[in-house]
Amino acid sequence: GESVGLHLPTLSVQEGDNSIINCAYSNSASDYFIWYKQESGKGPQFIIDIRSNMDKRQGQRVTVLLNKTVKHLSLQIAATQPGDSAVYFCAENSGGSEKLVFGKGTKLTVNP
Amino acid sequence: DTEVTQTPKHLVMGMTNKKSLKCEQHMGHRAMYWYKQKAKKPPELMFVYSYEKLSINESVPSRFSPECPNSSLLNLHLHALQPEDSALYLCASSPRRVRQPQHFGDGTRLSIL
Repeated sequence: GESVGLHLPTLSVQEGDNSIINCAYSNSASDYFIWYKQESGKGPQFIIDIRSNMDKRQGQRVTVLLNKTVKHLSLQIAATQPGDSAVYFCAENSGGSEKLVFGKGTKLTVNP
Repeated sequence: DTEVTQTPKHLVMGMTNKKSLKCEQHMGHRAMYWYKQKAKKPPELMFVYSYEKLSINESVPSRFSPECPNSSLLNLHLHALQPEDSALYLCASSPRRVRQPQHFGDGTRLSIL
């Protein structure tokens, strides 16, 4: 069935290190993916998205990689800062659907 | 600061009360959404409005009643809720329905006594 999940529920990194957050999906029809950051007491904040016709997309300090062969999505954060501490969700949308399916989330903790 | 505004930020109500949650966006988005989020869980879709018409109801109990008065406003009317309905209720909007990021408000923290 449709599912979007994450390999690790928690990730702890040192300030200045690079972070990699992973996400697996099972719906072959998924053609649009989003990463969200949710800080405590706030709603999910859009970070970056990618369509299935791309393998990689870069933003400011963030890169999303999409491997359609193994149905895997990752978010890379360069030079992680304490302000990056949050829960990160991947979400997918399959063509023609209005529904956004969220993964379980990864809690990122950045140690000073 | 979010461009999707939700009020109130916190709401405590009894099981016999009637209350409403409000959401407003001025980005010209034509799709609006209600989500429910329990602690340490991802958001779960409840309703989708597209061009002010209800397009998706994820089998939500009738004690939750959505309303879209115009393209900028979205309400969620609450009546006879249960303690298990306590959660963070998130509103989101997007330019159109598919392949566009949804932008979220900071939610209403709802507690049912």
